[in-house]
Amino acid sequence: LAKTTQPISMDSYEGQEVNITCSHNNIATNDYITWYQQFPSQGPRFIIQGYKTKVTNEVASLFIPADRKSSTLSLPRVSLSDTAVYYCLVGEGDNYGQNFVFGPGTRLSVLP
Amino acid sequence: EAGVAQSPRYKIIEKRQSVAFWCNPISGHATLYWYQQILGQGPKLLIQFQNNGVVDDSQLPKDRFSAERLKGVDSTLKIQPAKLEDSAVYLCASSLGSGGRSGELFFGEGSRLTVL
Repeated sequence: LAKTTQPISMDSYEGQEVNITCSHNNIATNDYITWYQQFPSQGPRFIIQGYKTKVTNEVASLFIPADRKSSTLSLPRVSLSDTAVYYCLVGEGDNYGQNFVFGPGTRLSVLP
Repeated sequence: EAGVAQSPRYKIIEKRQSVAFWCNPISGHATLYWYQQILGQGPKLLIQFQNNGVVDDSQLPKDRFSAERLKGVDSTLKIQPAKLEDSAVYLCASSLGSGGRSGELFFGEGSRLTVL
């Protein structure tokens, strides 16, 4: 299983762009990179998934360099409501289960 | 589209008592997961079902935890007898398939268990 490392916490201010980087040095060829967001008292929610280069959706962008040993989740112009825990998961594409392991995540605090 | 439903939302029991949690996944989702989330930690997979068969239960403490998914739809997670360290949020999730390539797990709001 590819292990991930991400900062435990980050602070930002409203309106700023936030970049959360995740390291996954032993990522395998078949592994995908997936990010989830979790608000207090709620289950995690899928944000974005990618394999290489850049993926963008209405919520975030995911940047993956050519060596795929890291990835960066970019949240444009954050608001107070983006305060949450963000999880980076790396795992093989054929089976979620034990292949996708949630670490402690990054606790993002957005300040006014 | 209705999301993943879980009940109860909250449960307080004393140690050595039993408790059961129920989950109704999104209609048509073949794969169902139960996770345990202890305060301050990420969710930990307990068991994964594909339809009504168990795919992975390697981290389920089988001496006290059991889970079933009858008819490949609803699922129940039971703890008997409960220990203090079982205090956590129990999250149910479902997905259309089991592949990470397909994207996402859909989580319910969770059932918060407090064992006194």
